[in-house]
Amino acid sequence: DGGITQSPKYLFRKEGQNVTLSCEQNLNHDAMYWYRQDPGQGLRLIYYSQIVNDFQKGDIAEGYSVSREKKESFPLTVTSAQKNPTAFYLCASSTTPTENYGYTFGSGTRLTVV
Amino acid sequence: AQTVTQSQPEMSVQEAETVTLSCTYDTSESNYYLFWYKQPPSRQMILVIRQEAYKQQNATENRFSVNFQKAAKSFSLKISDSQLGDTAMYFCAFMTNTDKLIFGTGTRLQVFP
Repeated sequence: DGGITQSPKYLFRKEGQNVTLSCEQNLNHDAMYWYRQDPGQGLRLIYYSQIVNDFQKGDIAEGYSVSREKKESFPLTVTSAQKNPTAFYLCASSTTPTENYGYTFGSGTRLTVV
Repeated sequence: AQTVTQSQPEMSVQEAETVTLSCTYDTSESNYYLFWYKQPPSRQMILVIRQEAYKQQNATENRFSVNFQKAAKSFSLKISDSQLGDTAMYFCAFMTNTDKLIFGTGTRLQVFP
């Protein structure tokens, strides 16, 4: 079955470490997105990519980095520059234009700083 | 700036009753799309219903329907015959031709037996 796979489901990071969250899709979607979810704040866009080897900053990109070397993969690195990384991270993908289908979401990664 | 506002942080409803979740948005665009997503305790985001702004007819998906008022920039979700499985966070979202979804802060719905 086609879908989006995020791994790991839970991730613990020590302060000062970089960590990478994986996002893979086999839907042949062109566009991929990373959102951060915090209680009471909804989902906020971190980065998005509409084509391989190209990506743009979202609303809260500081302290994060991404790459899009393959259509199927859009990993997110949370760097030590991100001051408050504890959150739930959601990856999504879509065809472009997206209006007919909306986004397909992964099941998320819960990142905790210890 | 384009924004989405959900003014009800929490709602509750008894099983089999009807509940309406509110959503307003702000945009200067004339062509856009609106969505309601459901996030159950599993935290998987599920598309519930969508509406094209250029269509006057309100979208309906089984027990879920919307009341789209374009002039008022309002997009409420009505859930009829509520079921225990409807317990979830509900997010209203807005999209223009940039293909980016902008989400509201969500409404937590609890369905009681």
